[in-house]
Amino acid sequence: QITLKESGPTLVKVTQTLTLTCTFSGFSLSTSGVAVAWIRQPPGKALECLALIYWNDDKRYSPSLKTRLTVAGDTSKNQVVLTLTNVDPVDTGTYYCVHSFWSLHNHWGPGTLVTVSS
Amino acid sequence: VVMTQSPATLSVSPGDRVTLSCRASQSVDINLAWYQQKPGQAPKFLIYSASTRATGFPARFSGSGSGRAFTLTISSLQSEDSAVYYCQQYHKWPYTFGQGTKLEI
Repeated sequence: QITLKESGPTLVKVTQTLTLTCTFSGFSLSTSGVAVAWIRQPPGKALECLALIYWNDDKRYSPSLKTRLTVAGDTSKNQVVLTLTNVDPVDTGTYYCVHSFWSLHNHWGPGTLVTVSS
Repeated sequence: VVMTQSPATLSVSPGDRVTLSCRASQSVDINLAWYQQKPGQAPKFLIYSASTRATGFPARFSGSGSGRAFTLTISSLQSEDSAVYYCQQYHKWPYTFGQGTKLEI
């Protein structure tokens, strides 16, 4: 059974760095075809893919956020960490950690709501 | 790749059949997924490869299309189908979602 859970601060201040951790079970990030994605959703709005980290440590970032994002995996801890620097109120939203298999986002964490305050 | 969904909102009755539309700004082949999201919940993986139903969803959900135009059809609507439905292309990074169609039953 695949499960994922996001953790991190619920409130961050403008210009600070947001660090979120995804802790997962039921799969290994070193298995061919597996990736972990970070996807966010501003309140009442649509979903946006932020980053992907693949089983071979290849990484993809949203072009609009590339300079502010970092994703890293720790296969020994079954964790993936997302870092977003210089946050702004527009970064407010629910952040989801998602298991992806050959690009199919088939298992989602419950999400964590992050509010950026000025 | 910009994904455009229509309509934004759809009000229907139980037992109806509905078709939701999703259009891509360029061809995504059949690399198209649909998700169902209920209030306060994470999206659920519903359809992939444009027409393959994911585990856990009944046969009244079906998808079709290829290239730029896709549809999600729900036959014999039930009250628990009330949700927002999103399409997503995974043909080209960054993978992009449509704005969603809210289905009110």
